[in-house]
Amino acid sequence: DSGVTQTPKHLITATGQRVTLRCSPRSGDLSVYWYQQSLDQGLQFLIQYYNGEERAKGNILERFSAQQFPDLHSELNLSSLELGDSALYFCASSVRPGQQETGELFFGEGSRLTVL
Amino acid sequence: AQSVTQPDIHITVSEGASLELRCNYSYGATPYLFWYVQSPGQGLQLLLKYFSGDTLVQGIKGFEAEFKRSQSSFNLRKPSVHWSDAAEYFCAVSIKGSSGNTPLVFGKGTRLSVIA
Repeated sequence: DSGVTQTPKHLITATGQRVTLRCSPRSGDLSVYWYQQSLDQGLQFLIQYYNGEERAKGNILERFSAQQFPDLHSELNLSSLELGDSALYFCASSVRPGQQETGELFFGEGSRLTVL
Repeated sequence: AQSVTQPDIHITVSEGASLELRCNYSYGATPYLFWYVQSPGQGLQLLLKYFSGDTLVQGIKGFEAEFKRSQSSFNLRKPSVHWSDAAEYFCAVSIKGSSGNTPLVFGKGTRLSVIA
């Protein structure tokens, strides 16, 4: 158990809809990352937050947005969903206060999104 | 741009046989290197990591990996594979920057099948 919790585990929705994925990081971790895993693209970095602020942005579509709240949990919002957005979305966390950053991430079990 | 190559998409080995999964990266700086494993329906679990020092690192479940700077490689090895090792294996890289490490960049993964 990594200590990272993601909800929901599975989600089925229709094209054009909007969904929100939720992530609770490991206790004390300041950074939250979102990754998308699909068969054709593999694991793609979407976005990183550190202590409530956006730190790095990857291949995140404009239809997608994220935020990190004061209690450090994070939400990934996906809107105007398309069939191609069907994927496994992972949240990962790292970096406790006073700890050196190394790039090592602790992953949740993912939220599987199916768009019909 | 950072990239990680795992040349083998799928490998099949017999239980008890040795295993080597290949990973090559392309960076100018010294990378922080990781191997993660993903079992079906699960998140990613860290097997081992290399930051500096001894180029042969030991990980969990009997895995080891060797960093070879001259070959830009970080191959994963196990002397005797168990049926429970069947999973997807991902090599990942991070680079230390001025404001912390870059988010992990993953290879496409190698699927390991184990036969009796």
